[in-house]
Amino acid sequence: DTGVSQDPRHKITKRGQNVTFRCDPISEHNRLYWYRQTLGQGPEFLTYFQNEAQLEKSRLLSDRFSAERPKGSFSTLEIQRTEQGDSAMYLCASSPWRITGELFFGEGSRLTVL
Amino acid sequence: DQQVKQNSPSLSVQEGRISILNCDYTNSMFDYFLWYKKYPAEGPTFLISISSIKDKNEDGRFTVFLNKSAKHLSLHIVPSQPGDSAVYFCAASDSGGGADGLTFGKGTHLIIQP
Repeated sequence: DTGVSQDPRHKITKRGQNVTFRCDPISEHNRLYWYRQTLGQGPEFLTYFQNEAQLEKSRLLSDRFSAERPKGSFSTLEIQRTEQGDSAMYLCASSPWRITGELFFGEGSRLTVL
Repeated sequence: DQQVKQNSPSLSVQEGRISILNCDYTNSMFDYFLWYKKYPAEGPTFLISISSIKDKNEDGRFTVFLNKSAKHLSLHIVPSQPGDSAVYFCAASDSGGGADGLTFGKGTHLIIQP
């Protein structure tokens, strides 16, 4: 399977703990995106990378959130000192250079903060 | 403020009939529009797109119509099939260099009744 893969698929944690999600994009895709989706909402943009450079961050991405994409391959999204409001599905997507718009999504990582 | 609006949270259509899903947008900089389909516990998958230079794009049973003056687009599915039951997200992008990600609506849950 050469699609976007995310790990873990589910994470349950206690408030105040740190969590990290990993995304492996489609190998030839230069752009990688993180989105967050809560119940009844559409995906909301968090941040995106072009190769290893993080080019944009949404105001939704508080200072407790950090994302990296070392060497322009896989990416990690870390949430420090989790809060109950962080409970959501975290979606990763990738897209090839020069193609407008279309994103290829992974299956998501569902976070539950107790 | 919601820049992409899907005002119908759910839609029920009989199998074999036409399904029409609607989407409105407010940002006049959007010039590329997409529809994504999402099954439970899966990431969104791309369905069909349209550039602002067109007013119609067709792919098999799926047709997207764009009315730029009204800032409105719609997705037509005909004939509707049971496997079409899913949540459909309308999304838009500004290829001129805006957020560079996609802005999604809240989704419409389409239910195809036998």
